[in-house]
Amino acid sequence: DQQVKQNSPSLSVQEGRISILNCDYTNSMFDYFLWYKKYPAEGPTFLISISSIKDKNEDGRFTVFLNKSAKHLSLHIVPSQPGDSAVYFCAASPPSGGSNYKLTFGKGTLLTVNP
Amino acid sequence: NAGVTQTPKFQVLKTGQSMTLQCAQDMNHEYMSWYRQDPGMGLRLIHYSVGAGITDQGEVPNGYNVSRSTTEDFPLRLLSAAPSQTSVYFCASSYSDVNLRQISETQYFGPGTRLLVL
Repeated sequence: DQQVKQNSPSLSVQEGRISILNCDYTNSMFDYFLWYKKYPAEGPTFLISISSIKDKNEDGRFTVFLNKSAKHLSLHIVPSQPGDSAVYFCAASPPSGGSNYKLTFGKGTLLTVNP
Repeated sequence: NAGVTQTPKFQVLKTGQSMTLQCAQDMNHEYMSWYRQDPGMGLRLIHYSVGAGITDQGEVPNGYNVSRSTTEDFPLRLLSAAPSQTSVYFCASSYSDVNLRQISETQYFGPGTRLLVL
């Protein structure tokens, strides 16, 4: 049972335009969400996160939106740059404070930004 | 700092062989973990450790063993390789904190080991 879903395996956008990557989750216990970025032959790197007490978090060109009622989050990249071309993973975690250090990842979306 | 290093970068094994994937970090991180990435499956946690001498299972631990005798090293052992273990393996480390958010945001991943089991 896939608890974190990224239903678009790939996305292609033009440089300068907005990239929107989507993620859905099924486990209502998740209350913290993260996006990781991965280039080929490298490990993933943390990009941005959001807590369930918020519905938006912004960091430069990257904004993450959370819709708890729909169990949906999205990552917006504006403006998109060729260097943003990578695989983006959505991840979710349960509430902190316990010993369950387990992130659940989606399958990833390959973003290609064309010059 | 070298960060998180993994060796080997690529390995071919025959079914039934054993091997150890090495992972080391020089950042004095307490938290270390192993993930595997399979096509269309995302990243799945195999084992993790919150400090030397402490390990725990992740989502897909079967077929793998780990130990954490030092803060720096966290090797992953395949006791009897199977074709289903063909994957890309990533090691990660982070400052340890009771707050998973802190660990999640500050995880540093190694470059990965590609394993092919024939």
